[in-house]
Amino acid sequence: LAKTTQPISMDSYEGQEVNITCSHNNIATNDYITWYQQFPSQGPRFIIQGYKTKVTNEVASLFIPADRKSSTLSLPRVSLSDTAVYYCLVGVNNAGNMLTFGGGTRLMVKP
Amino acid sequence: KAGVTQTPRYLIKTRGQQVTLSCSPISGHRSVSWYQQTPGQGLQFLFEYFSETQRNKGNFPGRFSGRQFSNSRSEMNVSTLELGDSALYLCASSRGPGQGFGAPEKLFFGSGTQLSVL
Repeated sequence: LAKTTQPISMDSYEGQEVNITCSHNNIATNDYITWYQQFPSQGPRFIIQGYKTKVTNEVASLFIPADRKSSTLSLPRVSLSDTAVYYCLVGVNNAGNMLTFGGGTRLMVKP
Repeated sequence: KAGVTQTPRYLIKTRGQQVTLSCSPISGHRSVSWYQQTPGQGLQFLFEYFSETQRNKGNFPGRFSGRQFSNSRSEMNVSTLELGDSALYLCASSRGPGQGFGAPEKLFFGSGTQLSVL
């Protein structure tokens, strides 16, 4: 399984755009990149998933460069409620639901 | 559509006891997986069930076991509790079965059972 590296923590202010970068140098050809968000005392929540280039949904955008050795989760105009831990995962379906979560990035949004 | 339901929400046990945690997946989801979350080790995979069969198992001792029923509901059991078993136990469900080289399934997590072992 490809190992991921993320910043331990980040601070931002309400209304700003936040970009969290995840490094996955050993990503395999078939691996997808998935991001989850977790609030305290709750289970993680799926945010976005992609394989290459750019993916956008109503919550976030995911940017994946051509070499796929890193990816960036972009949260537009964050609010206080976006304060959470964000996890970057790399893998394929044949691993079933045996996901490997790293340490995640603790995002603190300040007023 | 109701989300993943885990019961109980909180549990306090003493060393040596055993505990059973319950998980009801989202309707129509047939795959259930369990995770342990602690401040020191983070989120760690315990096991995954699909159609009442264990598909994957994480690196945990045999004291940790689970099962899945025909209605996809799942239970996990921890016997001979140790202080280090204190954790948030999370259940996640997906449609399943998840195979091949496609995108990993989107997991839906419950709010977890917070287990404290004294």
